[in-house]
Amino acid sequence: DAGVTQSPTHLIKTRGQQVTLRCSPKSGHDTVSWYQQALGQGPQFIFQYYEEEERQRGNFPDRFSGHQFPNYSSELNVNALLLGDSALYLCASTRQGAGGYGYTFGSGTRLTVV
Amino acid sequence: GQQVMQIPQYQHVQEGEDFTTYCNSSTTLSNIQWYKQRPGGHPVFLIQLVKSGEVKKQKRLTFQFGEAKKNSSLHITATQTTDVGTYFCAALSYNQGGKLIFGQGTELSVKP
Repeated sequence: DAGVTQSPTHLIKTRGQQVTLRCSPKSGHDTVSWYQQALGQGPQFIFQYYEEEERQRGNFPDRFSGHQFPNYSSELNVNALLLGDSALYLCASTRQGAGGYGYTFGSGTRLTVV
Repeated sequence: GQQVMQIPQYQHVQEGEDFTTYCNSSTTLSNIQWYKQRPGGHPVFLIQLVKSGEVKKQKRLTFQFGEAKKNSSLHITATQTTDVGTYFCAALSYNQGGKLIFGQGTELSVKP
């Protein structure tokens, strides 16, 4: 049990469509980050949410957007899907002020764009 | 932006042999974290190093942080088939909102 819950586990979408991925952080964690992991690569930071605000963003286009809810859960939205968006999307949670010690990752959502 | 380079990309060993992966940065790191990702799985936190020259051990795993805080290594003694997976180093950028900057990872395969 990873402690971080992501849904769905797998998803197939058509180019141009929109997708929403969901994440529930580990109990006691209040900060959620999203990462994109292409096959054979290390995870790439998309953005981080804390107190329902986007605190930091990586080098991803505006097609990628997110949201954090009062219960700390989060959503990642991707619009106008491209074939290159096919990847494993990982959610990671931590507790603010913990110095980033030991991010807990979810099992991820495998997105395939056809 | 900050980058973390990791070598080798792949390592194939016989069970019982040792394994080492190296992580390098052109800039001084405030800390380095190590994660393991099993095939088909997700990254799992192993350890964080913060101090210059720090060495930490977890059973057969030894983690080191360089004196200049620009490099780090993970050494596994006497590998077992359970060690199979991809090992990532990741630098935590405090001044960038706490994002993790991952290396490319080293994929370890162990032949029994």
